[in-house]
Amino acid sequence: EPEVTQTPSHQVTQMGQEVILHCVPISNHLYFYWYRQILGQKVEFLVSFYNNEISEKSEIFDDQFSVERPDGSNFTLKIRSTKLEDSAMYFCASRLRLAGRDTEAFFGQGTRLTVV
Amino acid sequence: AQKVTQAQTEISVVEKEDVTLDCVYETRDTTYYLFWYKQPPSGELVFLIRRNSFDEQNEISGRYSWNFQKSTSSFNFTITASQVVDSAVYFCALRSRDDKIIFGKGTRLHILP
Repeated sequence: EPEVTQTPSHQVTQMGQEVILHCVPISNHLYFYWYRQILGQKVEFLVSFYNNEISEKSEIFDDQFSVERPDGSNFTLKIRSTKLEDSAMYFCASRLRLAGRDTEAFFGQGTRLTVV
Repeated sequence: AQKVTQAQTEISVVEKEDVTLDCVYETRDTTYYLFWYKQPPSGELVFLIRRNSFDEQNEISGRYSWNFQKSTSSFNFTITASQVVDSAVYFCALRSRDDKIIFGKGTRLHILP
């Protein structure tokens, strides 16, 4: 069964360092998303991406964050200068687009980012 | 404003008991979608069900069932004959025309052997 794949599963980084989280969405999906979940809290929307551009972003997604689809398969989230409060589980998701039909988003297994 | 409320923070039941997880949502949109996701201890988010706002038919899938009531803006989830493997955090979520999923805070379910 196709799935969304995220790497690495766990990333430890020093405060102030740049980090890139990697995602390979399901191959025929056209909508891509990043969400984050601070430990023990709810899952929060960060950004959606469609047709090679950001379609929506939350207030969390400030100038420190960026997303990119560098090739036909990868979808990355970059945090330029990490802060302690960026420590969280980051989930990538993708969704198929079908004419006249809605579809569900499938989530990857997450990348746990720890900023020290 | 859109909002999802899961009033039950944590529930513990003994194995084989039935358990219902409550979800109340708020949206001004007439077209929207409701979801339940399961997050086991390993951390991933597992899709369970999607419901659109025009389909109020209740759904049953094995031991799982969902009760969608627009009149009370609720989308409750029942597990029948619970098993230890059902222990997880369950998230109710809402998506409308702006394409982002709004999650509730989750209900942590403990199934005791």
